[in-house]
Amino acid sequence: GAVVSQHPSWVICKSGTSVKIECRSLDFQATTMFWYRQFPKQSLMLMATSNEGSKATYEQGVEKDKFLINHASLTLSTLTVTSAHPEDSSFYICSAGTGTTPTEAFFGQGTRLTVV
Amino acid sequence: ILNVEQSPQSLHVQEGDSTNFTCSFPSSNFYALHWYRWETAKSPEALFVMTLNGDEKKKGRISATLNTKEGYSYLYIKGSQPEDSATYLCASSGGSYIPTFGRGTSLIVHP
Repeated sequence: GAVVSQHPSWVICKSGTSVKIECRSLDFQATTMFWYRQFPKQSLMLMATSNEGSKATYEQGVEKDKFLINHASLTLSTLTVTSAHPEDSSFYICSAGTGTTPTEAFFGQGTRLTVV
Repeated sequence: ILNVEQSPQSLHVQEGDSTNFTCSFPSSNFYALHWYRWETAKSPEALFVMTLNGDEKKKGRISATLNTKEGYSYLYIKGSQPEDSATYLCASSGGSYIPTFGRGTSLIVHP
């Protein structure tokens, strides 16, 4: 199947700093990237959907100025957590697809973010 | 049901046992039901996508059924093996095509 690579797999940062997470589709062109967040013992929650070359669409309750998403090419999307706070500590995972819906997207490995 | 519910939350079985889990989802405005297998430190792997009431899908020893009228899906594993140990996620998508995930069922198969 298609491979999606997400880096880093884990990161620890200080409160107030910014962290960038990368999601790459290695063997296909991803027209759409989806970013999810998962808090402990909770389900995956969609944060935003990004289409290559256009602004991301954020789900209700997700701050677009805090979670900056860039999808500048068909193989790379980045999520930057700006001015991170301890409450941003979570598991972030991307999925990449060739269609407009998440139904046929492939997941990355996820990133465990800890803000201290 | 407003959310996607999975049960049980966790399950321990012996090698060779057959097992099944349940995913309950909103039956109104249904589009698709997905099952994923998620091993620790790996990417969730898509197992099945089902859209029609009565759908049954099979992949090796794993199979799934779908009832869209009552809003549930079952995932069955026949003759569980230790390598089947993983978290099994289901997700339901409605008219917006955005999937809503359950919390998963953690399966541990003991040798």
